[in-house]
Amino acid sequence: ETGVTQSPTHLIKTRGQQVTLRCSSQSGHNTVSWYQQALGQGPQFIFQYYREEENGRGNFPPRFSGLQFPNYSSELNVNALELDDSALYLCASSLEPGRETQYFGPGTRLLVL
Amino acid sequence: ILNVEQSPQSLHVQEGDSTNFTCSFPSSNFYALHWYRWETAKSPEALFVMTLNGDEKKKGRISATLNTKEGYSYLYIKGSQPEDSATYLCAPDVDQGGKLIFGQGTELSVKP
Repeated sequence: ETGVTQSPTHLIKTRGQQVTLRCSSQSGHNTVSWYQQALGQGPQFIFQYYREEENGRGNFPPRFSGLQFPNYSSELNVNALELDDSALYLCASSLEPGRETQYFGPGTRLLVL
Repeated sequence: ILNVEQSPQSLHVQEGDSTNFTCSFPSSNFYALHWYRWETAKSPEALFVMTLNGDEKKKGRISATLNTKEGYSYLYIKGSQPEDSATYLCAPDVDQGGKLIFGQGTELSVKP
């Protein structure tokens, strides 16, 4: 067990809706990264938060946004859902950005109809 | 766009066989390489973080080597067991910030 939890485990939404996915990092981990894994691909980096500030972003549109809270929890929000947003969303926590081991949660499976 | 390639895509071996996989990545702007083991319905499990050219790391029957000059890493499993069945992912960190770029993975199936 990595000590990183995510909720919900599964979610079904329709096109145009908004969704919030949650992650609880290991205690003391100041960094959380979010990844999207589409079918048949490796996880793709969405963004990273460090001490509650965005610390880097991958090639995802602004309708993907996030928040990190002082209690080591974080959120990934996706507005105006599209069919292609159907994927497994993973969060990973680490002590600091950089050459640190990232500990992954089990993911949230999102299906957009 | 950074291209990380893993080969083979899938591998089927018998219990007791030794096996190895390859991860290829651009050698420029390299800071670290992460290896993960991912069993179905579980969280990806960190195996190694490798940073230096020539690094060799070992965890039980699993070991890995790193060549940053030519941009590749090998993962070896000695005497594969059915419980080694999983997808093995590599991910270089190319900006020193922990923004990992994952390959598609190698899916290993070990038959008893």
